[in-house]
Amino acid sequence: DGGITQSPKYLFRKEGQNVTLSCEQNLNHDAMYWYRQDPGQGLRLIYYSQIVNDFQKGDIAEGYSVSREKKESFPLTVTSAQKNPTAFYLCASATNYGYTFGSGTRLTVV
Amino acid sequence: GQQVMQIPQYQHVQEGEDFTTYCNSSTTLSNIQWYKQRPGGHPVFLIQLVKSGEVKKQKRLTFQFGEAKKNSSLHITATQTTDVGTYFCAPQGAAGNKLTFGGGTRVLVKP
Repeated sequence: DGGITQSPKYLFRKEGQNVTLSCEQNLNHDAMYWYRQDPGQGLRLIYYSQIVNDFQKGDIAEGYSVSREKKESFPLTVTSAQKNPTAFYLCASATNYGYTFGSGTRLTVV
Repeated sequence: GQQVMQIPQYQHVQEGEDFTTYCNSSTTLSNIQWYKQRPGGHPVFLIQLVKSGEVKKQKRLTFQFGEAKKNSSLHITATQTTDVGTYFCAPQGAAGNKLTFGGGTRVLVKP
């Protein structure tokens, strides 16, 4: 079954900690994206990668970091510098015809 | 990225009625995509519009791209409870560029 797998589904972080969200795809897509969604809001782009070993900042990259060492994987690290990390994080991969989203990770700071 | 305005932000619809949601941009778009997100779920791709004036239908959903490629609409006829969710438009400024999502229209259906 082709698709995008995000893990974990729920994640709790203590203040001051870094956490890494996993995103894996077996669709053979070159482009991958990370979005943040706050309750009742739209999606805001954090980082994206069009090809392995290359990535660009999106609109709200501060406090986040990514890597793209393999085509299949695009992990997102939420660092302690991100002051308001509680949100729903969505990973997507894309062709020229539509994005495929993972089921998301809900991150809560406790 | 492209800035778009989606209206209305909320739509309460009586089951069986029709409604339309609109997506407006101040700049010309290369193409526009529409997504649906069910409550608690993730966005799911519905359609992509590329040509000026293009109209596409999916059962009770009709998608339209404006002649000037600056706006788009989604019309749903005979609304059902399965239509509940948030509908996002997502334009691209140039083919292959990242998508910018509108704020979405949250649809609630009254049985």
